[in-house]
Amino acid sequence: DAGITQSPRHKVTETGTPVTLRCHQTENHRYMYWYRQDPGHGLRLIHYSYGVKDTDKGEVSDGYSVSRSKTEDFLLTLESATSSQTSVYFCATATRGTVDAYNEQFFGPGTRLTVL
Amino acid sequence: AQSVAQPEDQVNVAEGNPLTVKCTYSVSGNPYLFWYVQYPNRGLQFLLKYITGDNLVKGSYGFEAEFNKSQTSFHLKKPSALVSDSALYFCAENTGFQKLVFGTGTRLLVSP
Repeated sequence: DAGITQSPRHKVTETGTPVTLRCHQTENHRYMYWYRQDPGHGLRLIHYSYGVKDTDKGEVSDGYSVSRSKTEDFLLTLESATSSQTSVYFCATATRGTVDAYNEQFFGPGTRLTVL
Repeated sequence: AQSVAQPEDQVNVAEGNPLTVKCTYSVSGNPYLFWYVQYPNRGLQFLLKYITGDNLVKGSYGFEAEFNKSQTSFHLKKPSALVSDSALYFCAENTGFQKLVFGTGTRLLVSP
């Protein structure tokens, strides 16, 4: 978890409200990711970033948006929270690998979000 | 679509016995495979990875993993389990552009 912080760590909100989760890294890693973890599903990629202002969708991106205006910050926004978005959200970072090698990802401590 | 399967939801082993946590992958060609561990209320921690080379990969905390291309497997192993190894273990595969697809996880319970 060193070098990657997530805020808030816990949040309870109501259906229909917007929610923003923040990931902050001090590692100067190029890549950043948002995952959600749900029982029976493992971790699923929501969005990722391969540089400042460069983002792309993951496999479960509906209802989520992201922004990355600085290398160190990656924001995840739930535009209008629904109960199905109750989950634990993890941010991760990675350095760029070589052509034939891929570097491991480093994970933050997670944010537990409950949507009532 | 690429996928990773962890066929066991839970593995139970007695302390001091060898442990195996199973993983199979789906991609053809040369896969890039990873194992992570998650302790309660924590993020995932990297254990080891297979990129190329030796089929037996050594990682953190005494864990190792055996890559078997013919069986498309990447099983995690440890010769002698510790109670402190009890955690949730995830296998993952790189799908390109440094993106990972994860298995559903296997809970390892080591009894004293």
